[in-house]
Amino acid sequence: AQSVAQPEDQVNVAEGNPLTVKCTYSVSGNPYLFWYVQYPNRGLQFLLKYITGDNLVKGSYGFEAEFNKSQTSFHLKKPSALVSDSALYFCAVRDMNNNAGNMLTFGGGTRLMVKP
Amino acid sequence: NAGVTQTPKFRILKIGQSMTLQCTQDMNHNYMYWYRQDPGMGLKLIYYSVGAGITDKGEVPNGYNVSRSTTEDFPLRLELAAPSQTSVYFCASTDGTLTGELFFGEGSRLTVL
Repeated sequence: AQSVAQPEDQVNVAEGNPLTVKCTYSVSGNPYLFWYVQYPNRGLQFLLKYITGDNLVKGSYGFEAEFNKSQTSFHLKKPSALVSDSALYFCAVRDMNNNAGNMLTFGGGTRLMVKP
Repeated sequence: NAGVTQTPKFRILKIGQSMTLQCTQDMNHNYMYWYRQDPGMGLKLIYYSVGAGITDKGEVPNGYNVSRSTTEDFPLRLELAAPSQTSVYFCASTDGTLTGELFFGEGSRLTVL
């Protein structure tokens, strides 16, 4: 079975400072990893994904994420936070194996609060 | 390009009532999903479909039913609404490749009183 953990319910950061939102995963095979963002009263929007290759992937709105296989982590990062980055962030994993529906399993979400 | 469209956006039901949440996508995606989002609980998969005429249960299917008569549409039916079904429901679709991301609708907020 595949699973995702986001250990922090909320992350607070000052505008202009770097931010990190943590994610760890568990799969039986090789993982495909995704980050989504949800603004209030909206659906989830795709930010970025790791499939293979370079461990540092870049995505929308200046976000990037680092894949670490030995630590089974996929932390979301941004060098300089904006107030408009305040939202709910979800990490998700898709296991290559034993996944008849190509399902994504989501973490519980982390609320990012960026203060001016 | 509308993407994934869900209706209604909001609905209040009484216990025991039935309703259908509609979902349609215009991206010709074979794979479609219904998730529910409860506060602080992330998203839980209710049902999914890998193509017209094919559906299967997800993690929390009890109290729900789905059908997939066309590629575009994937309605979710609640037969006897219960307070535990108060949630925000999201429909999503993908092209079915292992690397493909999900595209989500805007959500349907359902309250059962």
